[in-house]
Amino acid sequence: QKEVEQNSGPLSVPEGAIASLNCTYSDRGSQSFFWYRQYSGKSPELIMFIYSNGDKEDGRFTAQLNKASQYVSLLIRDSQPSDSATYLCAVWSGGGADGLTFGKGTHLIIQP
Amino acid sequence: DVKVTQSSRYLVKRTGEKVFLECVQDMDHENMFWYRQDPGLGLRLIYFSYDVKMKEKGDIPEGYSVSREKKERFSLILESASTNQTSMYLCASRPRQGARYEQFFGPGTRLTVL
Repeated sequence: QKEVEQNSGPLSVPEGAIASLNCTYSDRGSQSFFWYRQYSGKSPELIMFIYSNGDKEDGRFTAQLNKASQYVSLLIRDSQPSDSATYLCAVWSGGGADGLTFGKGTHLIIQP
Repeated sequence: DVKVTQSSRYLVKRTGEKVFLECVQDMDHENMFWYRQDPGLGLRLIYFSYDVKMKEKGDIPEGYSVSREKKERFSLILESASTNQTSMYLCASRPRQGARYEQFFGPGTRLTVL
């Protein structure tokens, strides 16, 4: 059973600070990793994806991947109240449904 | 602009009714998925399809069936709706067999069964 684990939160971060979201996965054969943001009552939307070990930056967002530790994280710099949402970590391992395996998400609250 | 659409944003049905949820994608994706999402339980896969007329059970298929007669359309059917099927239903699509492809989600259907 492929599993993706996230701390459910809520994670409360002051406005302007760095928010750090973490995710671990069980399948060592996982090849690609995605972060989705989901606002309350809305559907998930992709923020970032990463395939290679190391960091990938896109604006205020940085994804970090460590395949040896089976760990992926998302950093949000200069956090804004509009970043308040649930963040879903998703992993692709191939085979089967050929879909992504999702974590349950971390609820992030940015305090003004 | 890629798009996944769902037939209804909000739906209210009575116990025992047959319910159809429709999903259409315009990206020519082979894979399509139906999830339900409940507080604290995350996204749970109900059914998926990797080709026309092909379907596979996900993690929670009981009480549901699906139909995929055309590549772009994937329907979820609740044969006899029950109150425990009150939930947010999300459709998604994805290209076949690619590590570097995201899943695209529809806007969701909030179903209430009374």
